Amino acid sequence: NAGVTQTPKFRILKIGQSMTLQCTQDMNHNYMYWYRQDPGMGLKLIYYSVGAGITDKGEVPNGYNVSRSTTEDFPLRLELAAPSQTSVYFCASNRGQGYTEAFFGQGTRLTVV
Amino acid sequence: AQRVTQPEKLLSVFKGAPVELKCNYSYSGSPELFWYVQYSRQRLQLLLRHISRESIKGFTADLNKGETSFHLKKPFAQEEDSAMYYCALSGAGEYGNKLVFGAGTILRVKS
Repeated sequence: NAGVTQTPKFRILKIGQSMTLQCTQDMNHNYMYWYRQDPGMGLKLIYYSVGAGITDKGEVPNGYNVSRSTTEDFPLRLELAAPSQTSVYFCASNRGQGYTEAFFGQGTRLTVV
Repeated sequence: AQRVTQPEKLLSVFKGAPVELKCNYSYSGSPELFWYVQYSRQRLQLLLRHISRESIKGFTADLNKGETSFHLKKPFAQEEDSAMYYCALSGAGEYGNKLVFGAGTILRVKS
């Protein structure tokens, strides 16, 4: 029972580099989310998607992009990495309105130097 | 705008003492409120939600719409309750409900 799977678990990027954080879920959930977790700041919503082809910005979308071409996958793209993007990133999914228990991945710890 | 406020970053109590983790929210409609917990080296997971009106691991939370609060309570803390606790709100976004979290409270239960 895989649930929500994120890759990689750890990554170090240089300033200006780009990368994609992968997230996939096998529960056929419509909704998927990306959060970043900073010490003392809690979880901030970056982007979310309510289904394939539909995405929307959260609280802190600047510097990130997402796509949702399939129900299973919701990758998060960093185009020009900056030190301010050093954080732990969590992907989550749920079935949607009325079924709002969210299931989380194990997180990706990203350091930008 | 949806906002969740958890005023305490750290709450430290002794084993057997009562616990109350505070959560206040801001939302113009009728929100769904949740408490999530993250134990050390584990994934974030749902603890309880207001619509279920249940008690999980001895924890309860009551939605108070007048005070816009959803405080988490337990009468007698256990050491295994030590974790990070997040209050969360699900409310309408442009395309559907979105789930937003507070800053979290670390609960430390001392023996």
